Amino acid sequence: EDQVTQSPEALRLQEGESSSLNCSYTVSGLRGLFWYRQDPGKGPEFLFTLYSAGEEKEKERLKATLTKKESFLHITAPKPEDSATYLCAVQRLMNRDDKIIFGKGTRLHILP
Amino acid sequence: GAVVSQHPSRVICKSGTSVKIECRSLDFQATTMFWYRQFPKQSLMLMATSNEGSKATYEQGVEKDKFLINHASLTLSTLTVTSAHPEDSSFYICSARDKTGVSQPQHFGDGTRLSIL
Repeated sequence: EDQVTQSPEALRLQEGESSSLNCSYTVSGLRGLFWYRQDPGKGPEFLFTLYSAGEEKEKERLKATLTKKESFLHITAPKPEDSATYLCAVQRLMNRDDKIIFGKGTRLHILP
Repeated sequence: GAVVSQHPSRVICKSGTSVKIECRSLDFQATTMFWYRQFPKQSLMLMATSNEGSKATYEQGVEKDKFLINHASLTLSTLTVTSAHPEDSSFYICSARDKTGVSQPQHFGDGTRLSIL
């Protein structure tokens, strides 16, 4: 069964304190892995898509990496505005439909 | 780019009322749209996949007659919660995927907070 597990569930960091969020997945063939940011009361905002092991993508203070079993979202010198829930999702290669499977997310809180 | 508009953002209504929620892709065409439900501090739960010009595919346990989905054009899908009851109160979110490829990411609307009194 396809599964996406994110850790930790919640993370509190001081402003400027870099860290990483983990997304472990088991899927029968990966078409793509997606990272989203969700603010309270809002829909998820797309951040990155990763397609193959070894791929990396960056956007401002965020960098996403992918291996065959997991993905990391590295946050460098975070600011309070980076506080949000970060969601990871995977799409299976041989989908009969287009759906993606979400993890439960990591709630990140950056203290000023 | 890739903006999805969802309306209304909040609905408060009496039990027994039917509520329609609209999801529009503003700057791209979407053959596939998705409807999710999210409970507090939980992840998104897929309710149904909506394909333009055909019937929606519902996830197990989601009542087709309760949650009516229409995807009449490449930019618009609607979810109607029929005869809503307090247990239908939730945060409903739609997403749309650009028709250019199955590997395209889903882009989400800002959700609809539905409260049934």
